[in-house]
Amino acid sequence: DAEITQSPRHKITETGRQVTLACHQTWNHNNMFWYRQDLGHGLRLIHYSYGVHDTNKGEVSDGYSVSRSNTEDLPLTLESAASSQTSVYFCASSKDYEQYFGPGTRLTVT
Amino acid sequence: RKEVEQDPGPFNVPEGATVAFNCTYSNSASQSFFWYRQDCRKEPKLLMSVYSSGNEDGRFTAQLNRASQYISLLIRDSKLSDSATYLCVVNYAGNMLTFGGGTRLMVKP
Repeated sequence: DAEITQSPRHKITETGRQVTLACHQTWNHNNMFWYRQDLGHGLRLIHYSYGVHDTNKGEVSDGYSVSRSNTEDLPLTLESAASSQTSVYFCASSKDYEQYFGPGTRLTVT
Repeated sequence: RKEVEQDPGPFNVPEGATVAFNCTYSNSASQSFFWYRQDCRKEPKLLMSVYSSGNEDGRFTAQLNRASQYISLLIRDSKLSDSATYLCVVNYAGNMLTFGGGTRLMVKP
């Protein structure tokens, strides 16, 4: 069955380190998205991509980057992790408007 | 003003009760509307799309009022398993979605 996966599911890292979160989907969707979810803020869009080599900034993109070298993957990189980036990160993909989410990555920056 | 607003709840209801949630959105150009369900510490899952004519899926009914810019979700005969956070979601342009903060439902025995 087609699916969307994220790895790692949990990660603890230190301030200043570079961290990459993986997202992989097998639906062959062109659209992929990264969100973070924090108490009091709901889901906020970090970056999104509408196809290979296309990337766009979302609402809270500072400190994050993405690259899209193939249809299946959209890795999210935290260039220099900060404590404010402690959060749950969700990846999603879509063909049109209906987005399907991965299981999430819980990131703690100490 | 938030683009998508929901009452955060919690709504505490007994099993078998009918409960309704409303959501308002600010952008009149909004094109597509959805309800997502999110269980604690899990990913959001699409519950249903919301069409202008209203739509029903088993115990769940969704309605859209474009004139007043609100969306509703009605759950009949609530089950314990309906306990979750319900997210109102709106598409404005392209394939991006804006999420409301969610309404928490707790169904009690």
